[in-house]
Amino acid sequence: SQQGEEDPQALSIQEGENATMNCSYKTSINNLQWYRQNSGRGLVHLILIRSNEREKHSGRLRVTLDTSKKSSSLLITASRAADTASYFCATARRGGSEKLVFGKGTKLTVNP
Amino acid sequence: EAEVAQSPRYKITEKSQAVAFWCDPISGHATLYWYRQILGQGPELLVQFQDESVVDDSQLPKDRFSAERLKGVDSTLKIQPAELGDSAMYLCASSNRARTGNTEAFFGQGTRLTVV
Repeated sequence: SQQGEEDPQALSIQEGENATMNCSYKTSINNLQWYRQNSGRGLVHLILIRSNEREKHSGRLRVTLDTSKKSSSLLITASRAADTASYFCATARRGGSEKLVFGKGTKLTVNP
Repeated sequence: EAEVAQSPRYKITEKSQAVAFWCDPISGHATLYWYRQILGQGPELLVQFQDESVVDDSQLPKDRFSAERLKGVDSTLKIQPAELGDSAMYLCASSNRARTGNTEAFFGQGTRLTVV
């Protein structure tokens, strides 16, 4: 079963605008990760945030984590047409095998 | 840069036939995952290996699916017999938590299976 739930399911913006995607999860986690997937391709890791971190940056990406609300957000600033893809959050649960559980994803379209 | 290799990229098979997918993870990665992704949905974990041992196969339909990683390196996922509902993308990923200190997973390009 999938743990993460992203919203919105789909997002369409203009180039240059910021895109914000949210993820909620249910259990205690070691870390939360965001991945990107171009149509028909494999997933590419974007950023990982540990459970004791609240915010992390990587280039135009900003991720926040609120463990009290069991939620995370991914912000892409100054979006480009090449950012068009599906974005997934994945949680690594605390303890055990570090199983990675993915959400259903947000499909982002950036219009030129 | 090292990559996870999967083959074939595309497979069309008739229902009730057997089908197999192969994955070669990044060298040195102890953890290997097989995911199934139905169009428009997120990846669903089928099986996770740590070296040659299965650590999670709770979502693997064991009546028709099997997976092995005999030498703890490459892996094969088999479906027998295939059903129409098995049509999906099958993704392999690997990670090495001990080396990187986190569970960042590297994915292959996937095998797109169509059952007709």
